[in-house]
Amino acid sequence: SAVISQKPSRDICQRGTSLTIQCQVDSQVTMMFWYRQQPGQSLTLIATANQGSEATYESGFVIDKFPISRPNLTFSTLTVSNMSPEDSSIYLCSVAVAANNEQFFGPGTRLTVL
Amino acid sequence: KQEVTQIPAALSVPEGENLVLNCSFTDSAIYNLQWFRQDPGKGLTSLLLIQSSQREQTSGRLNASLDKSSGRSTLYIAASQPGDSATYLCAVPNSGGSNYKLTFGKGTLLTVNP
Repeated sequence: SAVISQKPSRDICQRGTSLTIQCQVDSQVTMMFWYRQQPGQSLTLIATANQGSEATYESGFVIDKFPISRPNLTFSTLTVSNMSPEDSSIYLCSVAVAANNEQFFGPGTRLTVL
Repeated sequence: KQEVTQIPAALSVPEGENLVLNCSFTDSAIYNLQWFRQDPGKGLTSLLLIQSSQREQTSGRLNASLDKSSGRSTLYIAASQPGDSATYLCAVPNSGGSNYKLTFGKGTLLTVNP
């Protein structure tokens, strides 16, 4: 298994500002992902965070809006840029354990944009 | 494109009852299926992972089954307790070859009444 922490756990932000969310894993992992969960909805994959190269974004998500860094195999950041109220969501990072493809999730960051 | 459906959307049962949650998926060529639990405003906790070659997996009072050919999985919870109250999500890898990118159902909100 993997133990994942996220910072901040929650934040309230003003429209037009940006927030950077940190994800720390207790072991080196190759596969790391960022998901969004909008109010009352299930999880949607934003991107795969690749170590040493640019993130791979899913349809509907772009780097300018959600820049991602992955400086090493235990850490990643997701920035939500130029926020609007529609960005209010829980943002979660996850990792996949290569042995059996089981995925583990962080506790999430609850973002409210006013 | 993989789609995941969970039935029922919500379930309320008295303590001690056995119950079944259902999950169906459209693309049966899956690598595995994972069940998660999510408490309100929190991240996801992995409950069970079933590989495509397996028919079922058990952990304590939880038993998950998988029927790939019919695109279905069930999560059986025995002797339910109030602490089991949460949203239960199933997830399968996306269609198109990636075994790591997950598609989630919308979840079943379970309430176990004392």
